Order: sequence, then structure tokens, then C-alpha cells
Amino acid sequence: EDKVVQSPLSLVVHEGDTVTLNCSYEVTNFRSLLWYKQEKKAPTFLFMLTSSGIEKKSGRLSSILDKKELFSILNITATQTGDSAVYLCAVGRNTGNQFYFGTGTSLTVIP
Amino acid sequence: DGGITQSPKYLFRKEGQNVTLSCEQNLNHDAMYWYRQDPGQGLRLIYYSQIVNDFQKGDIAEGYSVSREKKESFPLTVTSAQKNPTAFYLCASKEPGGGELFFGEGSRLTVL
Repeated sequence: EDKVVQSPLSLVVHEGDTVTLNCSYEVTNFRSLLWYKQEKKAPTFLFMLTSSGIEKKSGRLSSILDKKELFSILNITATQTGDSAVYLCAVGRNTGNQFYFGTGTSLTVIP
Repeated sequence: DGGITQSPKYLFRKEGQNVTLSCEQNLNHDAMYWYRQDPGQGLRLIYYSQIVNDFQKGDIAEGYSVSREKKESFPLTVTSAQKNPTAFYLCASKEPGGGELFFGEGSRLTVL
């Protein structure tokens, strides 16, 4: 059975801390792994990682994909209160056009 | 601006009533999806459609129905057969080939 597991489920940190969010997966016919940030309603896209792009960085956020060990991490450095959100990991397959989501990690950054 | 529009944003219904959630996109995407989000459970796939007049069941299709008569539109009906319909519903679309999912703002359904 295909599955995506995120950890931790929730995290509370102080502004300025660095956090690492984890996503492991068991999905047949892997195509891509996506990270989203969800604050209140619509998830907003952060990164897509594939076999040809296993490391991405944008400002204070970065992500890597380990296709051998079947996991990805999302790093956020120098956290700010605006980083407080649920972070979702999704894995897409080559066949069927489906995406499997993890349960998300709820991040709270306190001043 | 291109995007996905879901309506209504909030909906209250009595038990036993069917409700239809609207999803319209002007991104010219072929694939469209409906997800359900419950606290602590992430997003679960209800139905998806890769082209007009074709759709497939996802993991939790029971009690739901969809149609795809136009490329831009993918409405979801929550029927009275859905045992626990109170949830947050997200519609998404994707362009052909690889790429990310684009999401609408969501519809929150509460059944009283």
C-alpha cells in the first residue's frame, strides 16, 4: 500500500530557530515529491523534487530528496512567526496522475 | 488572473441532504482533483479526472459523485450516503505531464 509519513506531527519553536521536517514514503512508480505550506485554506507550493532535481533552495527554505532511502527533509532556518503553518508532503506517481499526501507537520513559531 | 475558484466557501446543510461543491479553473489544465481534509489526517483523494468526460475514484469515493462535462469545471456532490461529510474540501488541478498541483481556497462543509 502506498503511503507517505511525515514527522513530527507538530513542532513549537522560538523565532530564529532552525527546524527540520521529515517526509518518508513508500510509493510505487515514484515520479516527484512536493512540499506545500498551508496557513489557513489553500496549500501553497514550495518545492518539487524529482530524480533530476534532488535539492532545492529558496531563501531560508531548502529541501533535499534521498531516493535511495525514500525520504525528504524540509529545512527552515532563522524561523519567523510567518512560518507558522501546516507543512504538507505529497508524492506523485508516474502512472495514474495521483498524489499521496502525508498528514502534515504543524509548525508554530513563537516570538 | 489564472486560478481555481471553489464555491461556496462555507456551507451548512442538514443531515440527509445532497450538496454540490463547485470547482472552476481557468488554467487550461487537463487533470482535476477533489481532496478531503480532516484534522490530523492530511489530504485524502476522493475523485480525480484526467480529461473531459472521464474520472476515477480515489481512496474515499464512497458517498460522493462527480462529473466532468467541461474542461474548466469539476463539481463534487456529497450525497446523503456519505456517513461523515463534515470536512474541508479542496479542489486542485495540474497541467499535463509533471508539475505541481494548484489548489483552490477550499469549501468547508458542516452537516448539522
